[in-house]
Amino acid sequence: AQTVTQSQPEMSVQEAETVTLSCTYDTSESDYYLFWYKQPPSRQMILVIRQEAYKQQNATENRFSVNFQKAAKSFSLKISDSQLGDAAMYFCAYRSQIYGGATNKLIFGTGTLLAVQP
Amino acid sequence: DSGVTQTPKHLITATGQRVTLRCSPRSGDLSVYWYQQSLDQGLQFLIQYYNGEERAKGNILERFSAQQFPDLHSELNLSSLELGDSALYFCASRTGGANTGELFFGEGSRLTVL
Repeated sequence: AQTVTQSQPEMSVQEAETVTLSCTYDTSESDYYLFWYKQPPSRQMILVIRQEAYKQQNATENRFSVNFQKAAKSFSLKISDSQLGDAAMYFCAYRSQIYGGATNKLIFGTGTLLAVQP
Repeated sequence: DSGVTQTPKHLITATGQRVTLRCSPRSGDLSVYWYQQSLDQGLQFLIQYYNGEERAKGNILERFSAQQFPDLHSELNLSSLELGDSALYFCASRTGGANTGELFFGEGSRLTVL
């Protein structure tokens, strides 16, 4: 079964600085998606960035980028120029790309709580 | 706004009671997923429906049941409630077939069992 591990329960960053959140996963599949979701105090789950495993290029969305290392099964999130609004819980998630079955669910890590200091 | 609507947003009830949580997926989305988020458990997958049929089942208790109706909305029924059922229940949806893979989440229904 697939698993997602986030080893940093809490992180802190100064406003305008850069922070990297770590995520590792375990799977025997070759085709899958990886995601970072943000959950601010409102508790809404917001997609930050996605990565398809077949793409070698790391995904980027404005100040958010990932370092995807498929062989190492690592998927870290880098937040540049951190802003106060980035303070939230960040979840790494895995989803199989295989059609059908129980593998289509999102499997979440336990989350990293990011604090942004002014 | 994700386009996924969940009601009620908040619900307070007593142990032993039964509640129903409702989810309307994004227009055109065929798959509905239910997740439970409690303080010490993270986000746990409960169940998935695709176009009215149960597709996958996760850590869903026998006291819980769900269904997806012909109009694609879904309901999660929680019965014989216990204190430990207090949690945030999320519904998420996505399109079937080829897609970008992500799930779109509603704002959640916060259940408090007293």
